Amino acid sequence: AQSVAQPEDQVNVAEGNPLTVKCTYSVSGNPYLFWYVQYPNRGLQFLLKYITGDNLVKGSYGFEAEFNKSQTSFHLKKPSALVSDSALYFCAVRDWGGSARQLTFGSGTQLTVLP
Amino acid sequence: SQTIHQWPATLVQPVGSPLSLECTVEGTSNPNLYWYRQAAGRGLQLLFYSVGIGQISSEVPQNLSASRPQDRQFILSSKKLLLSDSGFYLCAWSPGDEETQYFGPGTRLLVL
Repeated sequence: AQSVAQPEDQVNVAEGNPLTVKCTYSVSGNPYLFWYVQYPNRGLQFLLKYITGDNLVKGSYGFEAEFNKSQTSFHLKKPSALVSDSALYFCAVRDWGGSARQLTFGSGTQLTVLP
Repeated sequence: SQTIHQWPATLVQPVGSPLSLECTVEGTSNPNLYWYRQAAGRGLQLLFYSVGIGQISSEVPQNLSASRPQDRQFILSSKKLLLSDSGFYLCAWSPGDEETQYFGPGTRLLVL
């Protein structure tokens, strides 16, 4: 069985400071990993994904994530946070051997960037 | 480019009334389609997915059903709504077996 954990329900960071949103995963084989962002009363927007290759993945809006196989982590990062980055962030995982429908989402982390 | 639409955006319905939510995708053909429910603004629960016209798989037994009458149209229905059906319903698509799902804007359903 696959699973994903987002250990922090809430992350607060000051504008201009670096931000990190944590994600750890568990799959039986190799993982496909994703980050999505959700603004209030909106659908999820795809930010970035890791399939294979370079462990540092760059995505939309200046976000990046680092795949760490030994720590089974895929933390989302941004060098300088903006107030407009305040939103709900979801990490998701599926096994290489599974299909697109077998995507498991974390419980979400609410990011608040303080001006 | 591909776009996904959902309507209505918001719906308030009495308990026991029927439901029909619609999702359509533009700019692609033969997509995989998905219905999710998001309760309390957090976790996503996959309700149904479809790999083709008339092909529906249910992930969670409940009083909801789904249909795919056309290649790029996915409908979520209920004959009689329950209070517990309230939530935010999200439709998503992926290009066949490709791994990324793309989400629509969602429908907020309130059952009173």
